[in-house]
Amino acid sequence: QSALTQPASVSGSPGQSITISCTGTSSDVGLYNYVSWYQQHPGKAPKLMIYDVSNRPSGVSNRFSGSKSGNTASLTISGLQAEDEADYYCSSYTSSTTLVFGGGTKLTVL
Amino acid sequence: EVQLLESGGGLVQPGGSLRLSCAASGFTFSSYAMSWVRQAPGKGLEWVSSISGSGGSTYYADSVKGRFTISRDTSKNTLSLQMKSLRGEDTAVYFCAKDQAPYTVTTKSFDMWGQGTMVTVSS
Repeated sequence: QSALTQPASVSGSPGQSITISCTGTSSDVGLYNYVSWYQQHPGKAPKLMIYDVSNRPSGVSNRFSGSKSGNTASLTISGLQAEDEADYYCSSYTSSTTLVFGGGTKLTVL
Repeated sequence: EVQLLESGGGLVQPGGSLRLSCAASGFTFSSYAMSWVRQAPGKGLEWVSSISGSGGSTYYADSVKGRFTISRDTSKNTLSLQMKSLRGEDTAVYFCAKDQAPYTVTTKSFDMWGQGTMVTVSS
């Protein structure tokens, strides 16, 4: 199972919006609505930000939103804040009953 | 409070074995699928293995199939990962993770993670 494709890095200024893409195939992202997004700060465990494409867990800011079109899912962060600077990973359930992660995207808040 | 606490990591020689454990608390352990996810130094996340709440269904990444065995002890609220024939590429922080939704056979997303335990495979 190949990793999902994410941009290596994205950046934005405080207050701006950014979008991180996550491209898979018709056997994972395109087949199921089981895409999740995780935020990971250096040296910390990942934190679930979005599940099932667009659902936010309790406690996650509504500045984070998710969507999907075909084989590509997206995470949008609006009103960027300094604490949003982190690595972001997408994941998807697959037709092989496994889970696959994206390579990760480093978000820099300028 | 939901807590996951991994243990058992360390330095092991190539070809050796190691057993990781994850002590769970704060939720009904048997109702949730559990998984192991690893992260090599400076690299991204890699799903390793999952097990259903009952323990009756297990799943493995191709990279560890036949070498790693996931199991759970509901009486002790403990998740385990038995690793054998270890290779240098198995060097990573291993995270224990809880499924977001109860009563699922396969894992979809993780709403709670442990702090991780480091496994180093080197001679």
